[in-house]
Amino acid sequence: QQQVKQSPQSLIVQKGGIPIINCAYENTAFDYFPWYQQFPGKGPALLIAIRPDVSEKKEGRFTISFNKSAKQFSLHIMDSQPGDSATYFCAASMKGGAQKLVFGQGTRLTINP
Amino acid sequence: KAGVTQTPRYLIKTRGQQVTLSCSPISGHRSVSWYQQTPGQGLQFLFEYFSETQRNKGNFPGRFSGRQFSNSRSEMNVSTLELGDSALYLCASSLLGSGGEKLFFGSGTQLSVL
Repeated sequence: QQQVKQSPQSLIVQKGGIPIINCAYENTAFDYFPWYQQFPGKGPALLIAIRPDVSEKKEGRFTISFNKSAKQFSLHIMDSQPGDSATYFCAASMKGGAQKLVFGQGTRLTINP
Repeated sequence: KAGVTQTPRYLIKTRGQQVTLSCSPISGHRSVSWYQQTPGQGLQFLFEYFSETQRNKGNFPGRFSGRQFSNSRSEMNVSTLELGDSALYLCASSLLGSGGEKLFFGSGTQLSVL
């Protein structure tokens, strides 16, 4: 029940394409859903986050779509660039456990020029 | 403003030894949490400290421990090291550790156990 399942494990997209990464969760007590980006040799950095009372959130080229009834959420990257090549992690946490993030397994994204 | 600083960057230890990792949070941040990252298990929460008190704990054996000092700096200790403890250990900080707060990660300490 604590798991967050992420897919795909790896993804290759041409420059300008729209990579989509999906996550699913079981625990309905989760109330915060962030996405993190990690480059080799660096720690994860927060990209964008959403709460379950919102179905979509956009920040720049990054969009989270959230489906509360299906317990799924996804990350879309518009106009993808080679610099977006990184590993992306979805995560979830419960109220009162904000720092106790449960992470998905990660998606290694490659954007070809 | 300086980011989260972790030292050392790399460590090599042998089985049975113990190790201490250090983390300096962003100035003003009072919550510090630790994560273990491995290729097989991904990112897993170890524990969180706030005002020198452990507030949350993950599912790790008692060999993993931590503490936080009055200046919010934190250390984690792993005793009786096992081969499976080889991992990237990440520290993260936030202002208060409250819901929806942005978490800032350091670059981690890469621990290799031989």
